[in-house]
Amino acid sequence: AQSVTQLGSHVSVSEGALVLLRCNYSSSVPPYLFWYVQYPNQGLQLLLKYTSAATLVKGINGFEAEFKKSETSFHLTKPSAHMSDAAEYFCAVSVRGSQGNLIFGKGTKLSVKP
Amino acid sequence: EPEVTQTPSHQVTQMGQEVILRCVPISNHLYFYWYRQILGQKVEFLVSFYNNEISEKSEIFDDQFSVERPDGSNFTLKIRSTKLEDSAMYFCASSEMAVGTDTQYFGPGTRLTVL
Repeated sequence: AQSVTQLGSHVSVSEGALVLLRCNYSSSVPPYLFWYVQYPNQGLQLLLKYTSAATLVKGINGFEAEFKKSETSFHLTKPSAHMSDAAEYFCAVSVRGSQGNLIFGKGTKLSVKP
Repeated sequence: EPEVTQTPSHQVTQMGQEVILRCVPISNHLYFYWYRQILGQKVEFLVSFYNNEISEKSEIFDDQFSVERPDGSNFTLKIRSTKLEDSAMYFCASSEMAVGTDTQYFGPGTRLTVL
C-alpha cells in the first residue's frame, strides 16, 4: 500500500529564510507525488508534481521539490520565504492502478515571521 | 481561471438527518472525486466518479453515502443519516483524465458539523 508521511505538523520560519517541508513516501512501485497548498478558506491548489520525468521539479511561487528514491523522500523547498507563503501544505501520492486517487499526508502548517 | 465551486461552505445538521453537499466541477472535466478531512487528520479519498457511475470508492464510503451527477454541471455527495463522526471538511475535486499523473483541481470545501 502507498502512503506519505509529513514530518512536522507546524513549521515556522522568518521572512527571507529557507523553507523546507519534509515528505517521505512508501510505495512498492514508482510513485507519482504531489504537493498541494491550502490558503485559509480556499481549496487545495497544486504546487508541483513528480511524474517520473526530472527528479527536480519546479512549481509555482518559487517552490521546488526533489524526488530522491534512495531516501524515499520528496521534500518541498523555497530559498526565501515570503509572508504570503503562510499556508498549509500537503504532500500526496497517487495510487498506481487506480483512477488517480490521491493519498495525502497530514499536512504541515507553515508560519512566516516578519 | 476555471475553478471548482462547492456549496454550502458550512453546513450544520442534527445526527440522523440527511445532507447533500454540492459541487460544480470544471466544465470540461470528466472525472470527479470527493475527499474528506476530519479535523486534525489526513485528507482521505472517498469516491471517484466517471461517466455517471462510481469508479472507485474507499472503505469509508459505505451505504450511508451516495454520489450523483443530477445534471450537466452539478456533482453531489449525499449522506443519508449523518453521524457525529461524519463531521469533517468535504472536498470535491475534478480532473480531465483519470490517470495518476493528471492534476486534480479542488474546491474550497464544505465544513459539515453534525450535532
